[in-house]
Amino acid sequence: AQTVTQSQPEMSVQEAETVTLSCTYDTSENNYYLFWYKQPPSRQMILVIRQEAYKQQNATENRFSVNFQKAAKSFSLKISDSQLGDTAMYFCAFMTGGSNYKLTFGKGTLLTVNP
Amino acid sequence: DTEVTQTPKHLVMGMTNKKSLKCEQHMGHRAMYWYKQKAKKPPELMFVYSYEKLSINESVPSRFSPECPNSSLLNLHLHALQPEDSALYLCASSQESVTYTQYFGPGTRLTVL
Repeated sequence: AQTVTQSQPEMSVQEAETVTLSCTYDTSENNYYLFWYKQPPSRQMILVIRQEAYKQQNATENRFSVNFQKAAKSFSLKISDSQLGDTAMYFCAFMTGGSNYKLTFGKGTLLTVNP
Repeated sequence: DTEVTQTPKHLVMGMTNKKSLKCEQHMGHRAMYWYKQKAKKPPELMFVYSYEKLSINESVPSRFSPECPNSSLLNLHLHALQPEDSALYLCASSQESVTYTQYFGPGTRLTVL
């Protein structure tokens, strides 16, 4: 069975600082995709970043970057220059190529950015 | 445009009512999903439609009945719900390709009295 673990239920960071959210996963597959989704208090789930397992290069999207360690099955999210609008629940998610589009989510990390 | 729309935003219904949730996307996606999300929990998959055909039903009670009239629309018909069914219902869609990225709508907040 595929599992995703987010070990930090809550985190906080000061505005303009950098924070890293951790995520580990377990799978025996070689072909899979990893995602970070953000869900602000307004509730819409927004894709932050995505990583294909076959790509060695870590994905980046502006202030968001990942540290993908395939051997360790680790997929952490780094947020640089944190902004108040980054306050949200962050979900790590995982999908295998043969999973028929089924996303497996972690339990989430509630990030609060303080002014 | 990565927009998925959902109506209504809020819905309050009694246990004997029949209501429907609607989801729409115009991105040409051929896979559409219903999720149920309780407060401070991750979304739980309910149904997946692929090319307008039901491909996954995660053992959802029959009081929830999905329908995919065409490639852009997804409905969730509700009947005889229980108070524990109160939750945020999210719709999502994705391309039928190797991208596999699911894009979510804003959700319908359902309260069952």
